[in-house]
Amino acid sequence: DTEVTQTPKHLVMGMTNKKSLKCEQHMGHRAMYWYKQKAKKPPELMFVYSYEKLSINESVPSRFSPECPNSSLLNLHLHALQPEDSALYLCASSQQDLLAGAYNEQFFGPGTRLTVL
Amino acid sequence: SQQGEEDPQALSIQEGENATMNCSYKTSINNLQWYRQNSGRGLVHLILIRSNEREKHSGRLRVTLDTSKKSSSLLITASRAADTASYFCATDARYGNKLVFGAGTILRVKS
Repeated sequence: DTEVTQTPKHLVMGMTNKKSLKCEQHMGHRAMYWYKQKAKKPPELMFVYSYEKLSINESVPSRFSPECPNSSLLNLHLHALQPEDSALYLCASSQQDLLAGAYNEQFFGPGTRLTVL
Repeated sequence: SQQGEEDPQALSIQEGENATMNCSYKTSINNLQWYRQNSGRGLVHLILIRSNEREKHSGRLRVTLDTSKKSSSLLITASRAADTASYFCATDARYGNKLVFGAGTILRVKS
């Protein structure tokens, strides 16, 4: 199974709502990522989990809260978002090349299209 | 600023023609990767080239890397309408801690 799945595909929420995005992979990858992508822009890294521990937080506002319950699952909890947070949220995973200290190819999910009203 | 810059920003060609996209970057890298993204969907990894490699092939794709010029190119031969997508280069900087994506090239292949 070489697939990364994300749910939901679309999400519309108000600024006072609390919602969660989910991501799952069964490739045995030990690194998982959240990216944010605005229209016609490249993906921007938000968080990296390595061996289920948060290793990188790219100064993301606290209204975004990641969680890695186990090696296959990654969640992104959303609370009190702003309209400018509307974007495509992408999850990815990779078999981290720890010895070489290099990033291997990343496998992306189809994304969640988030709209904040 | 972003590690990778790509040109052209957009490219429109006829089916059967070759498409070339270029990527430039600023610092030493471990590897450079190319990804494709169909409209509004997830990215698909195409090819990874390491800093000690100069050229790599995968099917109709050919990637070159010139570390002295800090640049890479992606060539798609005999293009098809299904190749219509955005193409991003991504660099793994040697002293960085993440993969950084370039601005991307939008390719349109007309049938």
